[in-house]
Amino acid sequence: QQQVKQSPQSLIVQKGGISIINCAYENTAFDYFPWYQQFPGKGPALLIAIRPDVSEKKEGRFTISFNKSAKQFSLHIMDSQPGDSATYFCAASRGQAGTALIFGKGTTLSVSS
Amino acid sequence: GAVVSQHPSRVICKSGTSVKIECRSLDFQATTMFWYRQFPKQSLMLMATSNEGSKATYEQGVEKDKFLINHASLTLSTLTVTSAHPEDSSFYICSARPGSEKLFFGSGTQLSVL
Repeated sequence: QQQVKQSPQSLIVQKGGISIINCAYENTAFDYFPWYQQFPGKGPALLIAIRPDVSEKKEGRFTISFNKSAKQFSLHIMDSQPGDSATYFCAASRGQAGTALIFGKGTTLSVSS
Repeated sequence: GAVVSQHPSRVICKSGTSVKIECRSLDFQATTMFWYRQFPKQSLMLMATSNEGSKATYEQGVEKDKFLINHASLTLSTLTVTSAHPEDSSFYICSARPGSEKLFFGSGTQLSVL
């Protein structure tokens, strides 16, 4: 089931720095790529998502970069804050109702103050 | 965004008993809901896809007789862990997708089997 590879496994960033998490997928039928943020003991929360018809999407401090030919996408967190410390998951699916998401293994981000 | 409510948030049970977890879509109708399982510091693994009015579709390796799923209405899906054992202890999370994109998750249920 592991069709989405995520790296790094863990990341430590200074406050104000840029956090970068990368994902690669295998299934060319995937056309919806979200990122989720999860705090301990909570369900994942949708941060930002992208479709392959665009190469970049920005929402506030969060940016997704998408490279369709390389089958890779990444999350950039600008001006990282201690409150961003959480586990981040990339995911992929076909963008159809009734289709489940396949998740990467997650990246634990720690932002030091 | 859409709201998915999951209950209970935490349950402790004795080995051999059954536990039911409820998942409700509060502001939309969900023909399909998804059940995931997450072990500590690991990813979310899809267990099954719950379909309203029909049988659930289970992922390879998931025992359908142990993890009973019922999706009796457009807003409610339940997962029953039957004859629970300590190895079933995990974080179970339901989710639903109102349309073709955003998938919303419940808050999860931490199951501990003693």
